[in-house]
Amino acid sequence: GAVVSQHPSRVICKSGTSVKIECRSLDFQATTMFWYRQFPKQSLMLMATSNEGSKATYEQGVEKDKFLINHASLTLSTLTVTSAHPEDSSFYICSARDLSGTDTQYFGPGTRLTVL
Amino acid sequence: GDSVTQMEGPVTLSEEAFLTINCTYTATGYPSLFWYVQYPGEGLQLLLKATKADDKGSNKGFEATYRKETTSFHLEKGSVQVSDSAVYFCALSPNSGNTPLVFGKGTRLSVIA
Repeated sequence: GAVVSQHPSRVICKSGTSVKIECRSLDFQATTMFWYRQFPKQSLMLMATSNEGSKATYEQGVEKDKFLINHASLTLSTLTVTSAHPEDSSFYICSARDLSGTDTQYFGPGTRLTVL
Repeated sequence: GDSVTQMEGPVTLSEEAFLTINCTYTATGYPSLFWYVQYPGEGLQLLLKATKADDKGSNKGFEATYRKETTSFHLEKGSVQVSDSAVYFCALSPNSGNTPLVFGKGTRLSVIA
């Protein structure tokens, strides 16, 4: 089946630094990708919708200047957590919808961010 | 708006027991329905899906039938294994372009030997 990759899988950074997470659709093109955040033992919270070639659409309560999203190509979206703080520590998951044939949303393996 | 409600966990079963995780939905139109599974420390994996009423999705011994009359998509497995221990998410996708999935809150399943 279709595969979505994320890099890195784990990252530990100091407070105040920025961290970039990449999300790639490996065998299909995705004009739209989604970024989620998951707190321990909770469901996924949609943060933003990443649109190729245009600005991302952020959910209410998500700071667009803090969570920068770039969708530069049909197979790559990046999420940059700027000036990270300990409260940004979380599990970040991206997904992409394969509209050709299967019309299924596939998820990346997630990135565990720990801010010290 | 669209929503998904699934049974609260955690659910603890003995190996080879029968599993049911209830899921009901509210949606306009005719959504597609999904079950995703999340193993500890990992992302979500698609377990099965159904795109129209009366469709049955199945995979790895798990089954779920799209019931429009009861707006349900209950997940079942006849004989669970320890390796099935995970969190299961029910989700719907409005059939209108590139919209994100609407998730239930997840049900944690623990299977003990």
